[in-house]
Amino acid sequence: GQNIDQPTEMTATEGAIVQINCTYQTSGFNGLFWYQQHAGEAPTFLSYNVLDGLEEKGRFSSFLSRSKGYSYLLLKELQMKDSASYLCAVRGSNGDYKLSFGAGTTVTVRA
Amino acid sequence: EAGVVQSPRYKIIEKKQPVAFWCNPISGHNTLYWYLQNLGQGPELLIRYENEEAVDDSQLPKDRFSAERLKGVDSTLKIQPAELGDSAVYLCASSASPKETQYFGPGTRLLVL
Repeated sequence: GQNIDQPTEMTATEGAIVQINCTYQTSGFNGLFWYQQHAGEAPTFLSYNVLDGLEEKGRFSSFLSRSKGYSYLLLKELQMKDSASYLCAVRGSNGDYKLSFGAGTTVTVRA
Repeated sequence: EAGVVQSPRYKIIEKKQPVAFWCNPISGHNTLYWYLQNLGQGPELLIRYENEEAVDDSQLPKDRFSAERLKGVDSTLKIQPAELGDSAVYLCASSASPKETQYFGPGTRLLVL
């Protein structure tokens, strides 16, 4: 099975940087995803890491260390619209490619 | 390109009543997923379809839940009878294949009274 941990809540100021950590213990690993979910809306895909290292996409970056079972999502130049829940999800490697999600981190951006 | 479409967006029913949710995946996506999301939690997989075949339904409570994807496109998820604990958001997602990124619909928010 999968055990995925991420902080419940984080608060940051507009224009600042926030780093959301995700640790996982899995029986198999075939990639890690980050999704953003605004209240009452669909989760939307942000990033995907399968190899170690940093993936940068505009203001958002995601990092993976497979040996440490660790990932983070970095949000730079925070905007009010970034206030949302951020979900870390790990994909298994036993052939079913099943996604297991963490509980999500609610980020609140303050003016 | 249209995203994943779900209806209804909201549903309020009394316990013991039946309820059904509908999902239309992104065009060309062969893989379709139904997830359950409780408040403050991440989505949990209920069932996965490859075309019209349910290939993973191990987490689907089969005593009251059923799903179908008869023509390999649209899908319906049904609960009969609904219980108070079924109140949650039911999300549908699709991907081009199991290896590809999943894209989610807006979900159906169910309240069982």
